[in-house]
Amino acid sequence: RKEVEQDPGPFNVPEGATVAFNCTYSNSASQSFFWYRQDCRKEPKLLMSVYSSGNEDGRFTAQLNRASQYISLLIRDSKLSDSATYLCAVTNFGNEKLTFGTGTRLTIIP
Amino acid sequence: NAGVTQTPKFQVLKTGQSMTLQCAQDMNHEYMSWYRQDPGMGLRLIHYSVGAGITDQGEVPNGYNVSRSTTEDFPLRLLSAAPSQTSVYFCASSSGLPNQYFGAGTRLSVL
Repeated sequence: RKEVEQDPGPFNVPEGATVAFNCTYSNSASQSFFWYRQDCRKEPKLLMSVYSSGNEDGRFTAQLNRASQYISLLIRDSKLSDSATYLCAVTNFGNEKLTFGTGTRLTIIP
Repeated sequence: NAGVTQTPKFQVLKTGQSMTLQCAQDMNHEYMSWYRQDPGMGLRLIHYSVGAGITDQGEVPNGYNVSRSTTEDFPLRLLSAAPSQTSVYFCASSSGLPNQYFGAGTRLSVL
C-alpha cells in the first residue's frame, strides 16, 4: 500500500461549483500535512498547511481526520484558474522529508 | 528574485552517458532535496541534504549521486543514464517545513 494515496481524477467541475477531494495516509505517526498545487508543466507550490483544527484560506478549506487517516481539500466557488493538479504531502514525526501523493487533477469547465 | 535555479531545463542523453543536473538556491536554506516526477507516480524523493557536507538517501536513490559542498548548491549526478531515468527532476529547498520552494524542473529523456 502506498504511504500517501489520492484519487488521480480527473475531476471536471463547472465553474462556480464546490469540489472536494481527499488524500489518505497509511502511517499513523504522520505528523504534518500539506496541500500543494501544480500547474501543467510547472513546479509544485505550497497551497496550504493542514492543521488539526482545520483551516481556511479564502475559498479553500483543508481538514484533517486523524481517526480515519485522511486529509481533505474543499474548493468553493471554483474559478477557471483553479484548474491544476493538487498534491497532498505528509511528514512523519521528527522527519522533514515530504512524502507526496500522486496528485488529483482538477479541471474547471466554463 | 532567483529562488531555486535548475539547469538545464531540457536534456536528452544516450544510455550509458553521465551528466550532472545543477541546482542552486540563493535563500540560504539549509534543507535541499531532489525529486523525480513520473506519470502516475507522483513526486519521489531521490536524495536530500540538511546542510553543507550532509546528504542522505531518499526513496529512489539508485543510479544517482549527490554532494553538498556549499549551502547554495546541490548537484545531482547520473552515473550511467538508463531509459528508466527518463523523468522530470525537481530540486527544492527550504528553511524548514512546510514551504519547500521548487525549481522549474529539468526534463530528461534517456534514449
